[in-house]
Amino acid sequence: LAKTTQPISMDSYEGQEVNITCSHNNIATNDYITWYQQFPSQGPRFIIQGYKTKVTNEVASLFIPADRKSSTLSLPRVSLSDTAVYYCLVGDGNRDDKIIFGKGTRLHILP
Amino acid sequence: DAGVTQSPTHLIKTRGQQVTLRCSPKSGHDTVSWYQQALGQGPQFIFQYYEEEERQRGNFPDRFSGHQFPNYSSELNVNALLLGDSALYLCASSLYGTGPYSNQPQHFGDGTRLSIL
Repeated sequence: LAKTTQPISMDSYEGQEVNITCSHNNIATNDYITWYQQFPSQGPRFIIQGYKTKVTNEVASLFIPADRKSSTLSLPRVSLSDTAVYYCLVGDGNRDDKIIFGKGTRLHILP
Repeated sequence: DAGVTQSPTHLIKTRGQQVTLRCSPKSGHDTVSWYQQALGQGPQFIFQYYEEEERQRGNFPDRFSGHQFPNYSSELNVNALLLGDSALYLCASSLYGTGPYSNQPQHFGDGTRLSIL
């Protein structure tokens, strides 16, 4: 299983773009990269998923370099409501693939 | 379209007791996974149920057991409760074989907060 490494915490200000990088040096060929967001006392919520290059949706963008050993979640123009924990997961969706969340990145948005 | 619902939202038990937590999956989903989340930690996978059978299991003792019913709802049972079992217990649903990494990611409920005194 590919292990992921993320910064423990980050601070930013409202209106800025925030980039959270996740390292996954042992990523396998069939692995996808998935990001979840979790607010206090709520379950994680899917944000975005990608395999290579760039993926964008209404919430975020995900940048994946050619070697796929890292990925960057980009949140444009953050607001106070983006304060949450962000988890990076790597896996191939195989039914036997163990499901592992790390400790995530605590993002704190300041006014 | 109701999402994943869990009950109860909060529960207080004492050491040695037994507890049952319940989960109803999102409409259209057939697979239920359970996670334990201690304060300040990421969710830890307990087990996954599909077709009323346990399909995958994380590193949890046999005190943790589960069940899935024909309507896809599920229960998590924990026996002989320990102080360390205090946590947020999350249920997630998905379509079998898709899991959290696929194009159809898991949908989580808001959990049951279990406190052991």
